[in-house]
Amino acid sequence: DGGITQSPKYLFRKEGQNVTLSCEQNLNHDAMYWYRQDPGQGLRLIYYSQIVNDFQKGDIAEGYSVSREKKESFPLTVTSAQKNPTAFYLCASSVDRYYGYTFGSGTRLTVV
Amino acid sequence: EDQVTQSPEALRLQEGESSSLNCSYTVSGLRGLFWYRQDPGKGPEFLFTLYSAGEEKEKERLKATLTKKESFLHITAPKPEDSATYLCAVVYPTGTASKLTFGTGTRLQVTL
Repeated sequence: DGGITQSPKYLFRKEGQNVTLSCEQNLNHDAMYWYRQDPGQGLRLIYYSQIVNDFQKGDIAEGYSVSREKKESFPLTVTSAQKNPTAFYLCASSVDRYYGYTFGSGTRLTVV
Repeated sequence: EDQVTQSPEALRLQEGESSSLNCSYTVSGLRGLFWYRQDPGKGPEFLFTLYSAGEEKEKERLKATLTKKESFLHITAPKPEDSATYLCAVVYPTGTASKLTFGTGTRLQVTL
């Protein structure tokens, strides 16, 4: 079955460490996205990519980095520069830029 | 200012007690409004897309409607399995581009 796989489901990070969240899709979608979800706030866009080897900053890109070397993969690195990284991170993909999003099951990152 | 506002924040219904969730928006030139369902610890699942005022979509016990200022998600005779957070999102033009903004969601609990 086609879908989006995020791993790991839970991730713990010590302050000062970089961590990378994995996102893989087999839907043959061109566009992929990373969102952050915090209690009481709507999903906020971190980065998006509409094509391989190209990506754009979203509304809250500071302290994050991404790569898009393959159509199927869009990993997100949370760097030590991100001051408040504890959150639920969601990856999504779609055929078109805004329509028909398919979301992964999320990664909950906790800084300890 | 908030572009998308969902109300109520939380709603508790008894099984069979019909109700509606609201998503109001202040954007101009709406290009699409989406409803998603999100279960705890999981990614959102797509429900409906609405494009123009007067449009309606139905799926099982759910019916989404759209006016020029808001959308309603009507839940008829809900069951406990309908318990989830319901998110709406809007796509609207910003200059030469478009933007997708999510609301903060309505947490629905349906009890026996």
